[in-house]
Amino acid sequence: GQNIDQPTEMTATEGAIVQINCTYQTSGFNGLFWYQQHAGEAPTFLSYNVLDGLEEKGRFSSFLSRSKGYSYLLLKELQMKDSASYLCAVIMEYGNKLVFGAGTILRVKS
Amino acid sequence: GAVVSQHPSRVICKSGTSVKIECRSLDFQATTMFWYRQFPKKSLMLMATSNEGSKATYEQGVEKDKFLINHASLTLSTLTVTSAHPEDSSFYICSATSDYGSYNEQFFGPGTRLTVL
Repeated sequence: GQNIDQPTEMTATEGAIVQINCTYQTSGFNGLFWYQQHAGEAPTFLSYNVLDGLEEKGRFSSFLSRSKGYSYLLLKELQMKDSASYLCAVIMEYGNKLVFGAGTILRVKS
Repeated sequence: GAVVSQHPSRVICKSGTSVKIECRSLDFQATTMFWYRQFPKKSLMLMATSNEGSKATYEQGVEKDKFLINHASLTLSTLTVTSAHPEDSSFYICSATSDYGSYNEQFFGPGTRLTVL
């Protein structure tokens, strides 16, 4: 089976830095995505990692360690609008299917 | 670019009726479309994968006679929830991908909120 674990909820303060972790055990692996989803809306793409290391894109960075089955999403200079659910998803080699974690609800407080 | 639309955005229907949801890729040809459902505060669960011109591949536990999927063209896939019941109430999201895209990224539609009374 496929197993992707993320913390259920996190709270952080506006202007701070927060790290959302994701561990995975899947039968295949062709990369890992992070998505942001606001309530009642579709997920929006944040990042994609397929090689080990850190990918930086503005206030958002994502890290991958394939040997450890581990990724994290780092959000800097938090803003109130960053309050959302953050989904970690592994794309499988066969059929390009995405397997999602349960998502981490991030609450940013002032 | 890479815009996916869904219609309707919300639908309320009576138990026993059928509901059709459309998913369109507006500015690219989608070789593959995916259908997900999402319960409140839960993650997306893949229901089926559809490729243009062929039968959809359903995930384990998803009734293919209940959730009819048609991918008639490279820009349109439809999901029909047949004889809907209250337990089918959910948020249904489609995504589309293209062989020409980068790293097989899936582009998501805005979702359809189905409420069955």
